[in-house]
Amino acid sequence: KQEVTQIPAALSVPEGENLVLNCSFTDSAIYNLQWFRQDPGKGLTSLLLIQSSQREQTSGRLNASLDKSSGRSTLYIAASQPGDSATYLCAVENEKLTFGTGTRLTIIP
Amino acid sequence: GAGVSQSPSNKVTEKGKDVELRCDPISGHTALYWYRQSLGQGLEFLIYFQGNSAPDKSGLPSDRFSAERTGGSVSTLTIQRTQQEDSAVYLCASSLNWGGNGYTFGSGTRLTVV
Repeated sequence: KQEVTQIPAALSVPEGENLVLNCSFTDSAIYNLQWFRQDPGKGLTSLLLIQSSQREQTSGRLNASLDKSSGRSTLYIAASQPGDSATYLCAVENEKLTFGTGTRLTIIP
Repeated sequence: GAGVSQSPSNKVTEKGKDVELRCDPISGHTALYWYRQSLGQGLEFLIYFQGNSAPDKSGLPSDRFSAERTGGSVSTLTIQRTQQEDSAVYLCASSLNWGGNGYTFGSGTRLTVV
């Protein structure tokens, strides 16, 4: 059974700092990994999708990497802004789409 | 439509009543998931539809929960004899196909059982 873990569970950093969120998964036979953000009381917004054959994807200030063999992904956020405050979730797809428990990020102005 | 649409956005119901939650996936998407998110918790898998295959119902918490997907498009999640512990946000997601295209989520239905 696939298990997905996200560390840390919560993170607070001053505005302007670069930061890294971590995601690990136990079964490396995945088709893809997707990063989402969730604002309080809202649904999930897709940020980046990395296919199993890819090693990274970039969108603006966001960069996600994937090391499938070691079961790890990182989401790098550059020059953080207060609007980045949200919960960030990673999800891996093999037999099923399995989510991590998320990292609650707070950017301090 | 342009995105995944869920209705209603909010539902308050009395304990013991039945409720139906609706999900309209993106047109042409063959894969559809239902998840549940209780307050402050992570996403709990409920059920998964892929094309014409038999759905994966392994996440349904009890036999009070059922879901169907008519014509490979719209899906309805039904909760019978609602209990207070059913209160949560119910999220639907769809993808063009299984295994590679990523998922788009709807805004969810917030269910409150009083």
